[in-house]
Amino acid sequence: NAGVTQTPKFQVLKTGQSMTLQCAQDMNHNSMYWYRQDPGMGLRLIYYSASEGTTDKGEVPNGYNVSRLNKREFSLRLESAAPSQTSVYFCASSRLLYNEQFFGPGTRLTVL
Amino acid sequence: EDQVTQSPEALRLQEGESSSLNCSYTVSGLRGLFWYRQDPGKGPEFLFTLYSAGEEKEKERLKATLTKKESFLHITAPKPEDSATYLCAVQGAGGTSYGKLTFGQGTILTVHP
Repeated sequence: NAGVTQTPKFQVLKTGQSMTLQCAQDMNHNSMYWYRQDPGMGLRLIYYSASEGTTDKGEVPNGYNVSRLNKREFSLRLESAAPSQTSVYFCASSRLLYNEQFFGPGTRLTVL
Repeated sequence: EDQVTQSPEALRLQEGESSSLNCSYTVSGLRGLFWYRQDPGKGPEFLFTLYSAGEEKEKERLKATLTKKESFLHITAPKPEDSATYLCAVQGAGGTSYGKLTFGQGTILTVHP
């Protein structure tokens, strides 16, 4: 039982490049989330998916897109990376929208 | 807008020296208050959920309590392995909360042997 897994662990991009962060959970959870964590800003919600087939914006969605591929997988895409998107990205999941959330190990992204 | 303030920002303790971390919050209808532990380079690890004032939860050396305006994480006789950043988050019941967790900045706890 791996919980929430994320790939890659580290990534360096040049400004303007695109990439997709992958997240998968094996807890049969319905809801999934993408957060970013920046020094002094805490964890902030980018997008969430309340259930399979639905996605919605969080606090800081600009510059990102998401896909809920199936119940297990939720990906985050940066279409044209900018230095302001340098951050640590965490995926999380919960049984239902208002239950406790369980986090993955994170992806450390640097945009040059 | 939901807000969470944690204090102190950093806390250094000697092994065995008990203390408390504070989490003050404002939220439109509290659905839940969550405590997480985060080790360097790792994702937050879920510790507790508290739902209503007066509720208490315990796990090993940690005890979380909740009032209408704040929560405390009490650490009894801490050990060096309790060193971590402790995060508090609230989940509001307001119309636009959609299950969003609002996190505090965290308290960095260091326990010296």
